[in-house]
Amino acid sequence: GAVVSQHPSRVICKSGTSVKIECRSLDFQATTMFWYRQFPKQSLMLMATSNEGSKATYEQGVEKDKFLINHASLTLSTLTVTSAHPEDSSFYICSAWQDYGYTFGSGTRLTVV
Amino acid sequence: DAKTTQPPSMDCAEGRAANLPCNHSTISGNEYVYWYRQIHSQGPQYIIHGLKNNETNEMASLIITEDRKSSTLILPHATLRDTAVYYCIVRVAGTGNQFYFGTGTSLTVIP
Repeated sequence: GAVVSQHPSRVICKSGTSVKIECRSLDFQATTMFWYRQFPKQSLMLMATSNEGSKATYEQGVEKDKFLINHASLTLSTLTVTSAHPEDSSFYICSAWQDYGYTFGSGTRLTVV
Repeated sequence: DAKTTQPPSMDCAEGRAANLPCNHSTISGNEYVYWYRQIHSQGPQYIIHGLKNNETNEMASLIITEDRKSSTLILPHATLRDTAVYYCIVRVAGTGNQFYFGTGTSLTVIP
């Protein structure tokens, strides 16, 4: 089946630094990918839609200058958390559409200290 | 996208069928019902989806009422590994359409 690979699975960074998370579709092309954030004991919240070759679209309330999204190829989307702060600590998950439904990455646990 | 309502939690005895309900009374004619589950600290996993007819695959069965305002996901023989949060989502099929998650149902399978 379709696989979406997400890297890294876990990252710890210092407050004020930036962190890049990669999302790759391994055996299919994805013109659109989606990025979610999930806080403990909460549901997944859609952050943005990543479009290959064009600007991402962000959900209301998500800071586009803080969460930079780049979708430079049909198999790779990246999310960069800029100037990270402890409140950005969360579980970040990407997904892409494949045939009949969405396939999700395994997630990235970001901890900002 | 239509909003869905699910019970926050359910228990099921191991080996028994788990029946997870979902209400989606405002679903429109071209919206599918999708079910996903999320095991702790993992990405969501696709289970099944349907439009009007009941569906069955190797993981589960999906029963959609005739008026399409509600559905039930059935795990025929629940195992401990089925303990997870189950999400019912309705949306139009096709790439580019956003997927919004509700609060889901936390299913605990009890030995």
